[in-house]
Amino acid sequence: DADVTQTPRNRITKTGKRIMLECSQTKGHDRMYWYRQDPGLGLRLIYYSFDVKDINKGEISDGYSVSRQAQAKFSLSLESAIPNQTALYFCATSDSRQADGYTFGSGTRLTVV
Amino acid sequence: GQNIDQPTEMTATEGAIVQINCTYQTSGFNGLFWYQQHAGEAPTFLSYNVLDGLEEKGRFSSFLSRSKGYSYLLLKELQMKDSASYLCAVRKGGSYIPTFGRGTSLIVHP
Repeated sequence: DADVTQTPRNRITKTGKRIMLECSQTKGHDRMYWYRQDPGLGLRLIYYSFDVKDINKGEISDGYSVSRQAQAKFSLSLESAIPNQTALYFCATSDSRQADGYTFGSGTRLTVV
Repeated sequence: GQNIDQPTEMTATEGAIVQINCTYQTSGFNGLFWYQQHAGEAPTFLSYNVLDGLEEKGRFSSFLSRSKGYSYLLLKELQMKDSASYLCAVRKGGSYIPTFGRGTSLIVHP
């Protein structure tokens, strides 16, 4: 099994729909992150969580919300999807030092039509 | 804020050596990371530098100069499978969150 699992892998949804992307990890890390990646723009941070009771906004949190249900689970929701949220979404985990960097999930390719 | 600059694209020949540069401007400094990302896949961690100097890991090496705000990733004995994007990420002083550059797309040809 993968260290960081994201579901679904691909999703097409309509404008205005609510959608949830899920992430679970077996690394035992306290820290979890959600990024989106757009061509030419690199990885941008949406939200991050340093433990179960900690939630922080990243640079592009508008239109998104998150829930940290357990140490191993961190989900991202789009309350009312819009076409410019079409992107590749990555969940990642790390320990506190990050000396071994992030471990990323395989990504969710989301298309909003 | 932070400014991270990498070349957009580079090409190189199989078996050769390539150097991918990353320059940054940041308030304080708390570490620099390099990741490799194949098309459509997740980034994978390559290296972490927090002190000046060269860190070697097999065919890959990463160099850091904090005073110059400069790092490079050196890839030796290039293989076709090294064709990928290489992402530089910098953590500013007092922060636990790195900011990613836009990545360098490396194309290795025979």
